[in-house]
Amino acid sequence: GESVGLHLPTLSVQEGDNSIINCAYSNSASDYFIWYKQESGKGPQFIIDIRSNMDKRQGQRVTVLLNKTVKHLSLQIAATQPGDSAVYFCAEARGELIFGQGTELSVKP
Amino acid sequence: KAGVTQTPRYLIKTRGQQVTLSCSPISGHRSVSWYQQTPGQGLQFLFEYFSETQRNKGNFPGRFSGRQFSNSRSEMNVSTLELGDSALYLCASSMRVEAGELFFGEGSRLTVL
Repeated sequence: GESVGLHLPTLSVQEGDNSIINCAYSNSASDYFIWYKQESGKGPQFIIDIRSNMDKRQGQRVTVLLNKTVKHLSLQIAATQPGDSAVYFCAEARGELIFGQGTELSVKP
Repeated sequence: KAGVTQTPRYLIKTRGQQVTLSCSPISGHRSVSWYQQTPGQGLQFLFEYFSETQRNKGNFPGRFSGRQFSNSRSEMNVSTLELGDSALYLCASSMRVEAGELFFGEGSRLTVL
């Protein structure tokens, strides 16, 4: 069936480096994607979203890129900090949210 | 502004029992969604309520049900609990139905023995 998935379950980066978390989707008709962050013991928290009429969207220290040709999106975190350590989910909005499996980001001091 | 509040935070039940979980959305939010989170299946949509009406339902058996009250507070119920129902149940609220930006609570962790 159609799904949203992440490429890597874990990612470890050095504090201060940039992080890139990838996500692939299979439904060509998908037009709205969202990234969430879930810290240990908490519910997911909205980070940023992007619609299919855009290729790139920037927030505070985060950028989401959408490549509709290869059905891929990525979340870039600039100058990664220890507080960025969490599980990151991409989600596709199809009425409800369809979440990927998540990538656990670990930031080494 | 207070966030989404879920009660209880933790509970332990045995197979065959039933459980009711409660969710108070952010003030002014009329949509409440429920998700189940497990290590194996990840985050899976259960249902969404808006103005006391179920607007959407995920692929879960009829043992899973919910409702929403006139003050937008919501409850979900799971009857005849199975071991596989052990999970973190997350409630999320939003101002409108089928929103991309959801505000999640911290969840109710259910353990079924």
